[in-house]
Amino acid sequence: DQQVKQNSPSLSVQEGRISILNCDYTNSMFDYFLWYKKYPAEGPTFLISISSIKDKNEDGRFTVFLNKSAKHLSLHIVPSQPGDSAVYFCAASAGSGGSNYKLTFGKGTLLTVNP
Amino acid sequence: NAGVTQTPKFRVLKTGQSMTLLCAQDMNHEYMYWYRQDPGMGLRLIHYSVGEGTTAKGEVPDGYNVSRLKKQNFLLGLESAAPSQTSVYFCASTAWARSTDTQYFGPGTRLTVL
Repeated sequence: DQQVKQNSPSLSVQEGRISILNCDYTNSMFDYFLWYKKYPAEGPTFLISISSIKDKNEDGRFTVFLNKSAKHLSLHIVPSQPGDSAVYFCAASAGSGGSNYKLTFGKGTLLTVNP
Repeated sequence: NAGVTQTPKFRVLKTGQSMTLLCAQDMNHEYMYWYRQDPGMGLRLIHYSVGEGTTAKGEVPDGYNVSRLKKQNFLLGLESAAPSQTSVYFCASTAWARSTDTQYFGPGTRLTVL
């Protein structure tokens, strides 16, 4: 049973436009959500996160939105740059700061930003 | 700080051979993890450790063993490699002292089992 779903395996956008990556989850115990970025032949690197007590978190060009009632989150990248081309993983955890130290990852979305 | 390092970077095994992957972190992190990444499957947790001397099973533990004898090292062993274990393996660590702590990943080990 896949608890974190990224239904779009790939996304292609033009440089300067907005990229929107989506993620759905099924486990209502998840209360902390993260996005990781991964370039080929490298390990994933943390990008941005959001706690379930918030519905939006911004960091420069990156904004994550959380809709708890729909169990949906999205990552917006504005403006998109060719260097943003990578695989983006959505991840979630339950009981952040408590006894659960595990992350559940989605399958990833390959973002290609065309010059 | 080197962060999280993994040894080796690449390895080719024959079916039935054994090997150990080494993960080391210099951030004094309490928690360490082993994942595998397969095409179209994302990152799946194999085993993890919440402290020196402890280990626990993740989502896909079969065929693997782990040990955490020192806080900074987390070893992943394959006793009898199978072609299904061909994958890219990532190690990660985190302090998890605060709810905002994230996992830091190593560069990965690409393993091919023939």
